Amino acid sequence: DAGVTQSPTHLIKTRGQQVTLRCSPKSGHDTVSWYQQALGQGPQFIFQYYEEEERQRGNFPDRFSGHQFPNYSSELNVNALLLGDSALYLCASSLTSPNYGYTFGSGTRLTVV
Amino acid sequence: AQRVTQPEKLLSVFKGAPVELKCNYSYSGSPELFWYVQYSRQRLQLLLRHISRESIKGFTADLNKGETSFHLKKPFAQEEDSAMYYCALYNTNAGKSTFGDGTTLTVKP
Repeated sequence: DAGVTQSPTHLIKTRGQQVTLRCSPKSGHDTVSWYQQALGQGPQFIFQYYEEEERQRGNFPDRFSGHQFPNYSSELNVNALLLGDSALYLCASSLTSPNYGYTFGSGTRLTVV
Repeated sequence: AQRVTQPEKLLSVFKGAPVELKCNYSYSGSPELFWYVQYSRQRLQLLLRHISRESIKGFTADLNKGETSFHLKKPFAQEEDSAMYYCALYNTNAGKSTFGDGTTLTVKP
């Protein structure tokens, strides 16, 4: 089992562009959560997907959107990129119930220039 | 609102010394708390969760609801324990985890 896989590993985008990040959850997990991690900070919750719907959302603008597919994989889309969106984006998969904790991917490092 | 505070950004101990990484939380409901660890050049991984009351790699953590704390402890630190440690609170109603900003533990030989 490869665990959680994220692609791409690194990405450089220009301000104003749009980006799509991808995540495949650990086998057997049905829930995908996305986190943004800025340098020196802990992961900040963006949103969570379960049964192909956004189940919960953190304090992020509508420029951040996502999707979950029938095979439980997920995408994170960010529109109108700002310099402040530069961060490590982490995907975490889990079971909705019971909660045994997250399995994390290695992240996508997004740099906005 | 839920919040997790890890008061120490950096913690340094000598090999064989006891270590305690502090975690305080604020949450109005019944918390589920976790510790995650990130070793150098590795991904973030689950270390332990309070509900299972387990000891992983010699680490334990006790939930103290009165002091709203979930400190991580190990009686004898090893060099391989050097890593970044994150405390996280899971909100069962909201279905999301809130993380602290982490503590970097360095165990010196």
